[in-house]
Amino acid sequence: QSALTQPPSASGSPGQSVTISCTGTSSDVGGYNYVSWYQQHPGKAPKLMIYEVSKRPSGVPDRFSGSKSGNTASLTVSGLQAEDEADYYCNSYAGSNNVLFGGGTKLTVL
Amino acid sequence: QVLLVQSGAEVKKPGASVKVSCKASGYTFTGYYMHWVRQAPGQGLEWMGWINPNSGGTNYAQKFQGRVTMTRDTSISTAYMELSRLRSDDTAVYFCARSVPFWGGSNYYGMDVWGQGTTVTVSS
Repeated sequence: QSALTQPPSASGSPGQSVTISCTGTSSDVGGYNYVSWYQQHPGKAPKLMIYEVSKRPSGVPDRFSGSKSGNTASLTVSGLQAEDEADYYCNSYAGSNNVLFGGGTKLTVL
Repeated sequence: QVLLVQSGAEVKKPGASVKVSCKASGYTFTGYYMHWVRQAPGQGLEWMGWINPNSGGTNYAQKFQGRVTMTRDTSISTAYMELSRLRSDDTAVYFCARSVPFWGGSNYYGMDVWGQGTTVTVSS
C-alpha cells in the first residue's frame, strides 16, 4: 500500500487559518471514518490531535479540527500560534486490520 | 500516568537483528494493542504492525512480513519488536504506540500514547 498523499509544506501567519489535506482511496480514507492526525515537533514523539475524522482527545485545543469528503481528509488549524509549527501526519484505517500514514506536512508559522 | 518507556539506542551491522522493548505503565497492558512505527532520518512515519498483548496475536505490514516479529511479556507489561536481516535503510527511530483494540474496520481511534523512540543505526 502506498502512503496517503499530503502536501509537503503549508504555512500561515499568526492568527490565520491553514488547512492540510490528506488524500487516499476508497480502500482507506474514503472507506472508513477512521482518520486520525498527529503533530510532531522535532526530536519528539508524535501526538494524537484528531481521531475518527473530527474528534479531539482531551487537552487538544479546539483550534484544531478535522473533516472528510470522499477520499480526502483535512486538518484545519485556526488562530495559528507559534507553537503550532510542526510536522503533521494523517493516518487511516486501510482494511484487513492495517493502518496507513501520510507522508507528512511541515507547517510553518510565518 | 500512562507511559511507554522504550529501550536505549542500538548500533547494528548489516545482516544482524535488533530487538527493541517497550514497557507500559499506568494502564492495563492487555487492554490495548501495541503498534510499532518507524521514522527514517528526515522522513515520515511508517507503520510496521501491531500486537494484541492479550492474545499475542499480530498483524504485520506487508513490507515487513518475514523480517519482523512482535512479542510481549504480560508479566512485566512489556512489548518487543525484533527486526532481522538488517539493512542500512532500516536506520530509523522506532516508536511503540498503543491503540484501543480494533478489528474488521471498527473502532480504530488512532494511537493515543507513544513511547519516546529508540534510535537504531545500521552500519558496517
